[in-house]
Amino acid sequence: DAMVIQNPRYQVTQFGKPVTLSCSQTLNHNVMYWYQQKSSQAPKLLFHYYDKDFNNEADTPDNFQSRRPNTSFCFLDIRSPGLGDAAMYLCATQAGQGLVETQYFGPGTRLLVL
Amino acid sequence: QKEVEQNSGPLSVPEGAIASLNCTYSDRVSQSFFWYRQYSGKSPELIMSIYSNGDKEDGRFTAQLNKASQYVSLLIRDSQPSDSATYLCAVSGSARQLTFGSGTQLTVLP
Repeated sequence: DAMVIQNPRYQVTQFGKPVTLSCSQTLNHNVMYWYQQKSSQAPKLLFHYYDKDFNNEADTPDNFQSRRPNTSFCFLDIRSPGLGDAAMYLCATQAGQGLVETQYFGPGTRLLVL
Repeated sequence: QKEVEQNSGPLSVPEGAIASLNCTYSDRVSQSFFWYRQYSGKSPELIMSIYSNGDKEDGRFTAQLNKASQYVSLLIRDSQPSDSATYLCAVSGSARQLTFGSGTQLTVLP
């Protein structure tokens, strides 16, 4: 059974048209992450939540926002997508912030901006 | 200087050979080290974690950690074509966040 679910798997949007990506988890993990990964690059951390505490990476553009209405769900909003925002967006969860905790990734949402 | 460095490859090995993947990191207080496998167009999948100096074996995979040299490696024995993927090294440091390398692309030739 899928433990970290992302929807949609593929998203096509137009330049400047807002888009929302969703992530849900059945693991009851406290920590959730959003990463952006471009082709042949490392995943880049955008945000993370420890429970409801939101943490924004310093270099995450203002164009990206996130919401976590409850433990199970987390959303990534891109207010005005540009061509450079085309990427795979990965959601990951982690039980806690201990040193030996493992991150579990969802299948990702591939975003195409036309 | 990149925080986590890997040879981008591509690394090609014949089927049945040992594939050796290397990773260096810059944060001396790093405590946790992970290897993820990522097939093209898919999300990363955890294959090994290691926290102490030395070797850790799991099936055909062996992770090796040397904190003094700030070096972690992954050995894949009896490589199979299904092992062909990008292997991401990830390090959890002082900020308790994972920092990923850009990955090494491995191709196992039948």
